[in-house]
Amino acid sequence: EAGVAQSPRYKIIEKRQSVAFWCNPISGHATLYWYQQILGQGPKLLIQFQNNGVVDDSQLPKDRFSAERLKGVDSTLKIQPAKLEDSAVYLCASSLGRTDTQYFGPGTRLTVL
Amino acid sequence: QKEVEQDPGPLSVPEGAIVSLNCTYSNSAFQYFMWYRQYSRKGPELLMYTYSSGNKEDGRFTAQVDKSSKYISLFIRDSQPSDSATYLCAMRRQGAQKLVFGQGTRLTINP
Repeated sequence: EAGVAQSPRYKIIEKRQSVAFWCNPISGHATLYWYQQILGQGPKLLIQFQNNGVVDDSQLPKDRFSAERLKGVDSTLKIQPAKLEDSAVYLCASSLGRTDTQYFGPGTRLTVL
Repeated sequence: QKEVEQDPGPLSVPEGAIVSLNCTYSNSAFQYFMWYRQYSRKGPELLMYTYSSGNKEDGRFTAQVDKSSKYISLFIRDSQPSDSATYLCAMRRQGAQKLVFGQGTRLTINP
């Protein structure tokens, strides 16, 4: 069974630029999560989708971050404009249902200069 | 005060040693407790999953939950160099979906 796929794996941008990350969850998984993991910290949930609807986006900085999950499968997370403090690993995870085990992708490491 | 506290380490032990990793938490509503292992440049992978209080054993790994003390532990017996990774505790409330993670403990097992 294929795992959660993410791309790109690494991205370096200048502050105020835009960036987008892509996630393809495990086939059949209805719930998709985006986490931000700053160096030396645990993952922090940014947004959770159930199919193509948002369940929780309370910790998403909505003035600069946006996410969508069209057709309830793939998802894109965008940052516009990026700030230095956005440097982190962005992890995508998926689960069968809302309280089932979450499986994580390898992450996208973002560096904002 | 963070909801979940975890000593970041780093922790370095010789091969074969017993390793003890711990987390404390402040929210008594947490009922589900997890340990994730995260290798360098990889995403976290679920290692152990425990509901409420008690012990759970899986091979060389034992997870303990003491809800009265709001304290959870992960023990690794006969530690191997391949166990070198960051270990993250995570927990959630009954019926809730959101996981709250500790900051992770970086562990190195020296051959």
